[in-house]
Amino acid sequence: EPEVTQTPSHQVTQMGQEVILRCVPISNHLYFYWYRQILGQKVEFLVSFYNNEISEKSEIFDDQFSVERPDGSNFTLKIRSTKLEDSAMYFCASSVPGTAHNEQFFGPGTRLTVL
Amino acid sequence: AQTVTQSQPEMSVQEAETVTLSCTYDTSESDYYLFWYKQPPSRQMILVIRQEAYKQQNATENRFSVNFQKAAKSFSLKISDSQLGDAAMYFCAYRPAIYNQGGKLIFGQGTELSVKP
Repeated sequence: EPEVTQTPSHQVTQMGQEVILRCVPISNHLYFYWYRQILGQKVEFLVSFYNNEISEKSEIFDDQFSVERPDGSNFTLKIRSTKLEDSAMYFCASSVPGTAHNEQFFGPGTRLTVL
Repeated sequence: AQTVTQSQPEMSVQEAETVTLSCTYDTSESDYYLFWYKQPPSRQMILVIRQEAYKQQNATENRFSVNFQKAAKSFSLKISDSQLGDAAMYFCAYRPAIYNQGGKLIFGQGTELSVKP
């Protein structure tokens, strides 16, 4: 069964460093998403991406964040200068158009730890 | 703005018994979707069940069923014959029905379910 994959599973970085989180969505999916979950808190929407551009973003998704689909398979989230409060689980999701319910399939997540 | 509220931070159930997790939401939309996601210790988000707001019939998936009360904006999850593998964090989520477009999921705070053998 097709699935969303994410790498790395765990990333440790120093405050101020740039990180890139990678996702490979399901191959026929066209909508891509990033969500964040700070430990012990709810899952929060960051950004959605379609047709090579951002379709929606939250207040969390400020200028420190960017997303890119560099090729036909990867979808990346970049954090330019990490802060301690960026420590969280980051989930990638993808969905296929053509249905109203548009189920989002989640990857296993990347745990980001900022020291 | 749409919001989702889960008022039970923790719930506990005896194995083989039934448990109900509560969820309320607020929206001015008439058409939308509601979901329950399961997050086991691995932290993977797994879709458990989905309900379309335009359907009056409550969704069921094997041992999982929902009680959808549109007027009350309530969406509870019932787990029957609870199993040890059901132990997880459960998130209620909302998404407006936007045909052929992506749409963000809005999650509740989660309910941690423990299952006692």
